[in-house]
Amino acid sequence: SAVISQKPSRDICQRGTSLTIQCQVDSQVTMMFWYRQQPGQSLTLIATANQGSEATYESGFVIDKFPISRPNLTFSTLTVSNMSPEDSSIYLCSVSGANVLTFGAGSRLTVL
Amino acid sequence: GENVEQHPSTLSVQEGDSAVIKCTYSDSASNYFPWYKQELEKRPQLIIDIRSNVGEKKDQRIAVTLNKTAKHFSLHITETQPEDSAVYFCAASSNTGKLIFGQGTTLQVKP
Repeated sequence: SAVISQKPSRDICQRGTSLTIQCQVDSQVTMMFWYRQQPGQSLTLIATANQGSEATYESGFVIDKFPISRPNLTFSTLTVSNMSPEDSSIYLCSVSGANVLTFGAGSRLTVL
Repeated sequence: GENVEQHPSTLSVQEGDSAVIKCTYSDSASNYFPWYKQELEKRPQLIIDIRSNVGEKKDQRIAVTLNKTAKHFSLHITETQPEDSAVYFCAASSNTGKLIFGQGTTLQVKP
């Protein structure tokens, strides 16, 4: 399965700032996804990162808050904009191969 | 869209006993049902999956059953061990490739 490198692994951020999370895959993949896992909760899909076009967002998530880039088949970024304490979560990049979803290690963000 | 319900939210068993976690899904187009295990401070890891053309799949102490008519699938862990303690998530997917997850079950195996 694909090897996913995600960074930063964790960060402490100030309210009102933005942070960009990077996801690098060791092979070309068609489908990349971004998930959020709030403390003690399940995984919620934020969006599908589409190569060469705008991301497809799930209900409750918008591009202004979570802009996503996907410049090629091995790389994607997720930005969490204008952060508030409610954005404190783990953000996980994932890739799909034959419907099998593999996760990056996640980025644990704490917003003060 | 797809909705996945998972029960129970917590499960405590004695070492050596069996554990069963159940999920239901809403979208009849879903055709892939994986189970993930997440240990503390770690990423979710796939432990077993089943596709809609199969009713049951087994891998050592872990088995998954699927009832497409009832839109119901279950994870069975036999001879539980303390290292099975973790949070388990079920999920469902159609041909879109994206997974929708259940709420998770915290399994505690007591030595």
